[in-house]
Amino acid sequence: EAGVVQSPRYKIIEKKQPVAFWCNPISGHNTLYWYLQNLGQGPELLIRYENEEAVDDSQLPKDRFSAERLKGVDSTLKIQPAELGDSAVYLCASSRDRFTGELFFGEGSRLTVL
Amino acid sequence: DAKTTQPPSMDCAEGRAANLPCNHSTISGNEYVYWYRQIHSQGPQYIIHGLKNNETNEMASLIITEDRKSSTLILPHATLRDTAVYYCIVRVGLYSSASKIIFGSGTRLSIRP
Repeated sequence: EAGVVQSPRYKIIEKKQPVAFWCNPISGHNTLYWYLQNLGQGPELLIRYENEEAVDDSQLPKDRFSAERLKGVDSTLKIQPAELGDSAVYLCASSRDRFTGELFFGEGSRLTVL
Repeated sequence: DAKTTQPPSMDCAEGRAANLPCNHSTISGNEYVYWYRQIHSQGPQYIIHGLKNNETNEMASLIITEDRKSSTLILPHATLRDTAVYYCIVRVGLYSSASKIIFGSGTRLSIRP
């Protein structure tokens, strides 16, 4: 069974440029999560999807961050414009449903903003 | 969700049992204890979870005290590949749609040869 796939693995951009991250969850997993991880810290939840609906986006900085999960499968997280402080690892995870606490994570996308 | 307290770092000799403690003194009756680990440059990996009974799987054992205010994750025969950050998480029970997996700072476990 394929795991959660994320791309790109690494991205370097200049500040004020846009950037997008893509996530393909495990087949059949209805719930998808985006987490942000700063160096030396634990992951922080940005947004959670139940199928195509964003059910918890309270921690997503909506002035510059946006996300979508069209057709309830793949998801894209976008930052526009990027700031220096956005340099971090962006992790995608999926789970069978909203009730389980067993999340499967991708390897993450490491963003460096110069 | 209740908060957890873990030591920032620990070390253990290869082949010995690694015992990672976690305090969750404000845990509620319907909250589960979850453990994840994160190996360098990888995403977190689920290890085990429990409510009040001790649990064991192929990766580890979870011992929860009778009052449920603390727990210990046991890696019975630690190997170098177990070097990682281990996160103890308390999560509201299964049927709460508001339940989240919220990570703290974790314990950095180093396995020495």
